[in-house]
Amino acid sequence: NAGVTQTPKFRVLKTGQSMTLLCAQDMNHEYMYWYRQDPGMGLRLIHYSVGEGTTAKGEVPDGYNVSRLKKQNFLLGLESAAPSQTSVYFCASSSRQVKAFFGQGTRLTVV
Amino acid sequence: AQTVTQSQPEMSVQEAETVTLSCTYDTSESNYYLFWYKQPPSRQMILVIRQEAYKQQNATENRFSVNFQKAAKSFSLKISDSQLGDTAMYFCAFNRGAQKLVFGQGTRLTINP
Repeated sequence: NAGVTQTPKFRVLKTGQSMTLLCAQDMNHEYMYWYRQDPGMGLRLIHYSVGEGTTAKGEVPDGYNVSRLKKQNFLLGLESAAPSQTSVYFCASSSRQVKAFFGQGTRLTVV
Repeated sequence: AQTVTQSQPEMSVQEAETVTLSCTYDTSESNYYLFWYKQPPSRQMILVIRQEAYKQQNATENRFSVNFQKAAKSFSLKISDSQLGDTAMYFCAFNRGAQKLVFGQGTRLTINP
């Protein structure tokens, strides 16, 4: 079982460039999430989705967009990357049974 | 405010000792779960233990146990007979609606041989 898979695992962007992070889950979970992890601040919720075709803002949504066109995929987009978006990004999925499964993270550096 | 506070940024103990990590939280939710996650250098987020807030009995998972004090909004993690493989960042969290997680800042735990 693959669980939650994030692509890519590492990326370096120049300021102003755009990119999309892909998250795929094979557990038929309804809920999916994007978090960012910064030193000394734990994980913070960027956006989330409670089902195919729905998305909602989390705690730190500015500068990001998301889409969930298929139940198994949740995309996180950066339209114009900024150095403040240098972080480790985690995707997670969950059913209504509460336990969340996390991907292995994407380390993004914006120079 | 929906917050989690871990007051110990770093801790260090000798192998085989017992260590307790502290966590306090604030939520207006009436029914929620509390979690401890482990993040080793591999960066993977691993669920260590989970506690349902409406259950008074403290959860245990092998060498890991919690001390849940609902009135005080305290949720500490005790690791008994610590092992080198327990070296990691530990995050305390609770869930909000749609299972969104609110995390603390983390405690870096080092187990010394």
